[in-house]
Amino acid sequence: DIQMTQSPSSLSASVGDRVTITCRASQSISKYLNWYQQKPGKAPKLLIYASSSLQSGVPSRFSGSGSGTDFTLTISSLQPEDFATYYCQQSYSTLFTFGPGTKVDIK
Amino acid sequence: QVHLQESGPGLVKPSETLSLTCTVSGGSITSYYWTWIRQPPGKGLEWIGSIYYIGATNYNPSLKSRVTISVDTSKNQLSLKLSSVTAADTAVYYCASQSEYSGHVNFDYWGQGTLVTVSS
Repeated sequence: DIQMTQSPSSLSASVGDRVTITCRASQSISKYLNWYQQKPGKAPKLLIYASSSLQSGVPSRFSGSGSGTDFTLTISSLQPEDFATYYCQQSYSTLFTFGPGTKVDIK
Repeated sequence: QVHLQESGPGLVKPSETLSLTCTVSGGSITSYYWTWIRQPPGKGLEWIGSIYYIGATNYNPSLKSRVTISVDTSKNQLSLKLSSVTAADTAVYYCASQSEYSGHVNFDYWGQGTLVTVSS
């Protein structure tokens, strides 16, 4: 299995802050990396696919980068509706695996 | 836009079989791969398995001996069966569509999820 890790596991930030979340794969996955946002009691929502492609309808303040084993999700200016848990997920292997999540809450 | 809705018992006894159905609307079940993902309360996401409408399946090896995913094209539904359940199978179960862009697979449409509790 390809293991995914995320850091930090949680962070506190203010509206308007620039937020960066890191995801690391246990082996190279090229750019086969997706990011999801999940709010309490809701299903995850696809934000970014193929490391840096923005899913239709997702605000441009979200961006993704990286390749190989190290990836980053950036929120350029945190908005109130962005407080949520963020998960990365690899699709390099057809044994799809998710990271443990990063919870973003209000400072 | 594709809409997915999970349904099934919210309570299953240990050692029994968990059975869920996902009804797809707004699109044909023959147009995508489909997947089941679960999330234990307060924990992360675990991919269970995927299916293409012709019946080709791909299961998580950790669950493979207990999982069956199938498709009913006449009803535009997919189903999940998980046998010999234990308390560790207590989770919110999601169905999702599995899309591909230049070989990059992602889960783009999700159902709202259904909580299944395993308890006697």
